[in-house]
Amino acid sequence: DQQVKQNSPSLSVQEGRISILNCDYTNSMFDYFLWYKKYPAEGPTFLISISSIKDKNEDGRFTVFLNKSAKHLSLHIVPSQPGDSAVYFCAASARGNQGGKLIFGQGTELSVKP
Amino acid sequence: GAGVSQSPSNKVTEKGKDVELRCDPISGHTALYWYRQSLGQGLEFLIYFQGNSAPDKSGLPSDRFSAERTGGSVSTLTIQRTQQEDSAVYLCASSLMRGGYTFGSGTRLTVV
Repeated sequence: DQQVKQNSPSLSVQEGRISILNCDYTNSMFDYFLWYKKYPAEGPTFLISISSIKDKNEDGRFTVFLNKSAKHLSLHIVPSQPGDSAVYFCAASARGNQGGKLIFGQGTELSVKP
Repeated sequence: GAGVSQSPSNKVTEKGKDVELRCDPISGHTALYWYRQSLGQGLEFLIYFQGNSAPDKSGLPSDRFSAERTGGSVSTLTIQRTQQEDSAVYLCASSLMRGGYTFGSGTRLTVV
């Protein structure tokens, strides 16, 4: 039962253009969402998060959009840079006694071409 | 320490042997998590420790897997009688609050 899904295993974008990474979830109890970036042989690093009380959060070149009715979130990277090439994971957590446990998607490998 | 430290970084073991993976979280972080990433897969939750509360073990795949956290700091993940399907990168993370984890670099376990 995959509660967080990233349906695109890979994405290729030209440098300077927009990268859009998508994520869908099924659990309506999720109220906090995060994006992580992972380079090979390293642990994931936190990028940006959003609470369910908001529909947009921006940090520099990174913007996360949340559509609660569609149970969908997306990460926009503008402009994309070759150094952004990595695997991106979305993650979600729920209220209540599940504490800080995050449920991760399968990841999308982004390749930014010079 | 400055970050989450995991050891060993790589471990090759024979099928049927026991292995222990260690995680040293960021000092003062009350929450500690273990995840694993199998080849081509996402991050799979294994276990979660929060302060003195009973750990959430709901992600452990079988009773061959166990983990403990001593003194609210260092954690050890033990896999008994390893199988080839246990081969994966085992990631530890710690946090002060919900979300916002800091991950270690992981232990790559290969069972041959």
